Amino acid sequence: AQSVTQLDSHVSVSEGTPVLLRCNYSSSYSPSLFWYVQHPNKGLQLLLKYTSAATLVKGINGFEAEFKKSETSFHLTKPSAHMSDAAEYFCVVSGAGGTSYGKLTFGQGTILTVHP
Amino acid sequence: ETGVTQSPTHLIKTRGQQVTLRCSSQSGHNTVSWYQQALGQGPQFIFQYYREEENGRGNFPPRFSGLQFPNYSSELNVNALELDDSALYLCASKTSGWNEQFFGPGTRLTVL
Repeated sequence: AQSVTQLDSHVSVSEGTPVLLRCNYSSSYSPSLFWYVQHPNKGLQLLLKYTSAATLVKGINGFEAEFKKSETSFHLTKPSAHMSDAAEYFCVVSGAGGTSYGKLTFGQGTILTVHP
Repeated sequence: ETGVTQSPTHLIKTRGQQVTLRCSSQSGHNTVSWYQQALGQGPQFIFQYYREEENGRGNFPPRFSGLQFPNYSSELNVNALELDDSALYLCASKTSGWNEQFFGPGTRLTVL
């Protein structure tokens, strides 16, 4: 079984300040983990993915995430927020084997608001 | 631009009716998955098709069914619509293996 918990439903930051979106996962095997972003009225876009290579993963638009097995966490960070980062972000774990193969399990989402 | 397209964009149905949603996968992708995203929630996995066969299913009743065609496009059919079926339905495609999934823009279904 696999699950994802996003610890904050809403995060509000000022433009130019750091962003931290928190995610904990549960998986009975070595997981593949992803962060997706969803802008209003648009599809989901992949920000970055972890697939058991380097634990610090760099993605698009300056985002990065660190896989910490001991803490079962995969937090998303960005050093400096832009207004265009305002969107909903989803932490996702991918299934492996049997009927879970390829299945993505999404967290509940974190809405990021960026103030001028 | 992901290359995954869905139709229609919006749809309004009444309770008890049936609906068919369509998805064209990205070129070269042979695996299609469908997800339901209720308002304020994360997407929930409905099922996955690989080379025209269902090879994974989430916790959805049998009135949710699907098809994948030889060109890897796909349909999601929902019978006996209920009010709780109102949601954004997302289609995603990928190649076999562990490659990332590319999502379409979704179909917004409203059941009255």
